[in-house]
Amino acid sequence: GAVVSQHPSRVICKSGTSVKIECRSLDFQATTMFWYRQFPKQSLMLMATSNEGSKATYEQGVEKDKFLINHASLTLSTLTVTSAHPEDSSFYICSARISGGPNNEQFFGPGTRLTVL
Amino acid sequence: SQELEQSPQSLIVQEGKNLTINCTSSKTLYGLYWYKQKYGEGLIFLMMLQKGGEEKSHEKITAKLDEKKQQSSLHITASQPSHAGIYLCGAVGYNFGNEKLTFGTGTRLTIIP
Repeated sequence: GAVVSQHPSRVICKSGTSVKIECRSLDFQATTMFWYRQFPKQSLMLMATSNEGSKATYEQGVEKDKFLINHASLTLSTLTVTSAHPEDSSFYICSARISGGPNNEQFFGPGTRLTVL
Repeated sequence: SQELEQSPQSLIVQEGKNLTINCTSSKTLYGLYWYKQKYGEGLIFLMMLQKGGEEKSHEKITAKLDEKKQQSSLHITASQPSHAGIYLCGAVGYNFGNEKLTFGTGTRLTIIP
């Protein structure tokens, strides 16, 4: 099956620093990737849709200058949390959709747990 | 926007018992996904339903989409410890033209030996 990886799996950083999270589709090409955030005991909330070669589309309430998304290739999207603060601590999950695949099925990465001190 | 309500929010079941999780939409569902998530991990795809009245099974898990396409249920038969986790339903927008997935509130399943 299609595999999506994320790196790092865990990251702890000081307040004010920037953190980059990578999302890779390992065995397929993905023109579209999605970034979600999940707070403890809550469901996944879509943050943005990442499109290869173009600007990301952000959901309402998500600051695009704070959460920078780059989708430079068909297998890699990155999310950079700039000037991270404790309230940004969360579980970040990406998903990727197979280009031209049926049913628009999304494959999810294992997630990245960000802790901002 | 599509809103999905799951019930129950949490469920504690003795091993070997059957259970059902429901997912109700405020709008007609044009595509309904069921995922399983273990705490602190990614999502595992279980099943996708698209047609009214559709039913799919995989091992001991059966998912159904009602005729009106506004409610889906996930049924586990003879539950096992490996079934424990968080179950999430997700829906795409109108007729798959909208790729964004909206997730339900989640159901946390605990299996007691």
